[in-house]
Amino acid sequence: QMQLQESGPGLVKSSETLSLTCTVSGGSISNKNYYWGWIRQSPEKSLEWIANIYYTGSTYYSPSLESRITISVDTSSNRFSLTLTSVTAADTAVYYCARVARDYMDVWGKGTTVTVSS
Amino acid sequence: EILLTQSPDSQSVTPGEKVTITCRASQSIGSNLHWYQQKPGQSPKLLIKYASQSMSGVPSRFSGSGSGTDFTLTINSLDTEDAAVYFCHQSRGFPFTFGPGTKVDIK
Repeated sequence: QMQLQESGPGLVKSSETLSLTCTVSGGSISNKNYYWGWIRQSPEKSLEWIANIYYTGSTYYSPSLESRITISVDTSSNRFSLTLTSVTAADTAVYYCARVARDYMDVWGKGTTVTVSS
Repeated sequence: EILLTQSPDSQSVTPGEKVTITCRASQSIGSNLHWYQQKPGQSPKLLIKYASQSMSGVPSRFSGSGSGTDFTLTINSLDTEDAAVYFCHQSRGFPFTFGPGTKVDIK
């Protein structure tokens, strides 16, 4: 059974860079049928799509975050990662990684809470 | 960007009653609308894809309908385990967007 697990620092200082990794188990990240994505959920509880990546490295970014984010994939370790620069309090959220079956997210990680401190 | 609105914001329902949640898109999205259930402390779970296709293992009391700009998630005969927030999500175009969610409580 496929599982995704987010990892990264729970606390990041304002203006610094956030780096998160998602480890995929129970299946290959190189499966041609899927993309891999990041979604976050703010304390106000709304969901925000961040980015998707294909195993080839093809990416889709949210326009509102595109200038600050980079998503990458490492097929040798079955992981993909998110980097978010110049974080502010507005980036405080639960960050989820997910498997994207082209149009919908059918497998989600448990999420990792990131707090941006001043 | 395609905006999604949901109604109601929240609903308190007696077990056994029917629940109807509406999601409206700011422009036509065909059937590229998906529904998720999120229980407290858990990650979202995909219930319905492409407006009306139920995911494997989802109880038959959950159903979806609609196309274009107006969509509905129906829970027939609410069970206590259905207490959750329900989100719609569109994939007609990037960026993917989500509705604000509808909270369903049990009376």
